Amino acid sequence: DIAMTQSPDSLAVSLGERATINCKSSQSVFYSSNNKNYLAWYQQKPGQPPKLLIYWASTRESGVPDRFSGSGSGTDFTLTISSLQAEDVAVYFCQQYYSNPSFGQGTKLEI
Amino acid sequence: EVQLVESGGDLVQPGGSLRLSCAASGITVSSNYMSWVRQAPGKGLEWISVLHSGGATYYADSLKGRFTISRDNSRNTLYLQMNSLRAEDTAVYYCARDREGYGDYDHWGQGTLVTVSS
Repeated sequence: DIAMTQSPDSLAVSLGERATINCKSSQSVFYSSNNKNYLAWYQQKPGQPPKLLIYWASTRESGVPDRFSGSGSGTDFTLTISSLQAEDVAVYFCQQYYSNPSFGQGTKLEI
Repeated sequence: EVQLVESGGDLVQPGGSLRLSCAASGITVSSNYMSWVRQAPGKGLEWISVLHSGGATYYADSLKGRFTISRDNSRNTLYLQMNSLRAEDTAVYYCARDREGYGDYDHWGQGTLVTVSS
């Protein structure tokens, strides 16, 4: 099984500032046959299910604001929120789907 | 609009059984890869099982043998049969649609709470 580790566990960022969340997989999630990283990012607000933000490590889901971006390859990935808005307060999870899906432990983002 | 509505969550004693349902609208369950994911209170997300459109099923190793995923095409509903329940199975259970069958999830239900306690 592939283990996913996020850092930090929690993060406080001022409104309008940049937020960066890291995710590391215990083995590569890059599939060379299609040149894709099987890595997704989700946002979860209290009392709600997770919402898909990013898939293929860097492709924004339809309707997701462009202040959200994903980067990285292989085993190291980053979710960046370029200018934090109040509505971005949430827990963020990374997930690999290279093999049986597994999630990071989550990063709590606060203002 | 895609809607997934889970039901069936309840308080159950250790060793008991429960069947969860996920009624879908806006998509056809049998044409999609559909999964169950759970989240223990205040904890992270754990993948449980997937049912492929072709009928193949896969389970998390830790749950194999106790949980069974299935669907009823006529009802457009996904199920999760859970047996021999333990306290550590206490969680909100979500059904989710695999985006294009790859294993990331673009549509989620609101979840149903299962509490295992005596």
